[in-house]
Amino acid sequence: KAGVTQTPRYLIKTRGQQVTLSCSPISGHRSVSWYQQTPGQGLQFLFEYFSETQRNKGNFPGRFSGRQFSNSRSEMNVSTLELGDSALYLCASSAQGTGGADTQYFGPGTRLTVL
Amino acid sequence: AQSVTQLGSHVSVSEGALVLLRCNYSSSVPPYLFWYVQYPNQGLQLLLKYTTGATLVKGINGFEAEFKKSETSFHLTKPSAHMSDAAEYFCAVNRNQAGTALIFGKGTTLSVSS
Repeated sequence: KAGVTQTPRYLIKTRGQQVTLSCSPISGHRSVSWYQQTPGQGLQFLFEYFSETQRNKGNFPGRFSGRQFSNSRSEMNVSTLELGDSALYLCASSAQGTGGADTQYFGPGTRLTVL
Repeated sequence: AQSVTQLGSHVSVSEGALVLLRCNYSSSVPPYLFWYVQYPNQGLQLLLKYTTGATLVKGINGFEAEFKKSETSFHLTKPSAHMSDAAEYFCAVNRNQAGTALIFGKGTTLSVSS
């Protein structure tokens, strides 16, 4: 079974632009979560989608948004990019998404650089 | 609010030596606890997790961890380090009982020397 895939793997943008990152979960997985990883702040939870609905949300500004499609694929969007948005963005999927014990499987991430 | 503290941002061991990576958590409810490993330029891979039941959890690659509620700890150990164990290790707790929203520690980089 194929793992979690994220596209693109690398991205360079300038301040003020917007960006869309894509995540395809493991086949049959219904929950998709997004995380931001930076050297200073570490790994931080952005949001989780389950059955096309945002179920959990982290403490990020409204510039960060996401959505999930009926096939469970997910996208996240960052508008009005800032230098501090430079990070590795990780997507993770879980099979049932019904509880806190679910194992999340991570993709390789998208490395976003904002100039 | 839940939080995770990993003691020691960098741990160095010799090949064949015991590996001990420390993790303490704070949680107002019984936690679900996880250890993940990250190799350079890769995503995270689950080593093991504690949900309920047996407090000694065995994971992949010879790693194990023991959940100690009285000490609010979930330390990761491996009896004998291998060069391939060099990576960054993250302890995490699930923030929400009804979903998958992990709170991670700051991570511990493990170096293994020959």
